[in-house]
Amino acid sequence: KAGVTQTPRYLIKTRGQQVTLSCSPISGHRSVSWYQQTPGQGLQFLFEYFSETQRNKGNFPGRFSGRQFSNSRSEMNVSTLELGDSALYLCASSSQGAPGRPYGYTFGSGTRLTVV
Amino acid sequence: AQSVTQLDSQVPVFEEAPVELRCNYSSSVSVYLFWYVQYPNQGLQLLLKYLSGSTLVKGINGFEAEFNKSQTSFHLRKPSVHISDTAEYFCAVHNTNAGKSTFGDGTTLTVKP
Repeated sequence: KAGVTQTPRYLIKTRGQQVTLSCSPISGHRSVSWYQQTPGQGLQFLFEYFSETQRNKGNFPGRFSGRQFSNSRSEMNVSTLELGDSALYLCASSSQGAPGRPYGYTFGSGTRLTVV
Repeated sequence: AQSVTQLDSQVPVFEEAPVELRCNYSSSVSVYLFWYVQYPNQGLQLLLKYLSGSTLVKGINGFEAEFNKSQTSFHLRKPSVHISDTAEYFCAVHNTNAGKSTFGDGTTLTVKP
C-alpha cells in the first residue's frame, strides 16, 4: 500500500511569491489534514478536508488556503509569502470517515519550504 | 480546549537501558491519545494509540504506553532501547469535534552506545 506522497520535497521561494504544495493520501483515505511544523511553534493545525469540503480550519491567516479533489488528493496554497512561513508542511491522511473515533494519522514526509 | 505537555525536551539514555517519555494532557472532551515518532527529514509515524478499553496499549517497535485518567498522563515506555530508536517523539490528543490533533513540543530521545 503506497504511503502519503507529498511533492515537492523542498522549495525555495522569495518573499511575496505564492506556492502550491501537493498531497496524495493513502488510497481509500478520505480525510486529509495539513500541519505546519516549525522549531518555535511546533506542530500547528492548518486545515482538514473530507470529501472535497474543508471541515475544520486552524488559526492561520487567509493567505493559507487549500482544496481537495474528487480523488482525495489535496493541495495547499500560500500566497504573498513571508519569511515566517518557512517551515516543514506535513500532510496527513486518515481513514476516519464520519466524525467519530479517530484512527490516527499517516503522515507524508513533508515539504520543506524556505522563504528568502 | 486541549493541551499536551511533554515533560522532558531531551532524554539521553544508553543502549539496552529502559526509557520513559512523559506526557500529560488536558482535555474537556473524550480523550483520544497518540504517540508518534519522527526521524530526521521525515514525517511522523504512528507508534500507538489509546481510544478506550485497556489502559496499557502496545505499539510498534516494542513501545508501550499507559493511560492514567486520574493523573491525566500517557507515558511512553520501552524496556530496552536500541541506537535506531534515536528520534523525536510526539504525544498528541485528538479532538474529533475540532477535527484536529494537538501535539506536544516533542521529546528528543538520544540512545548512546
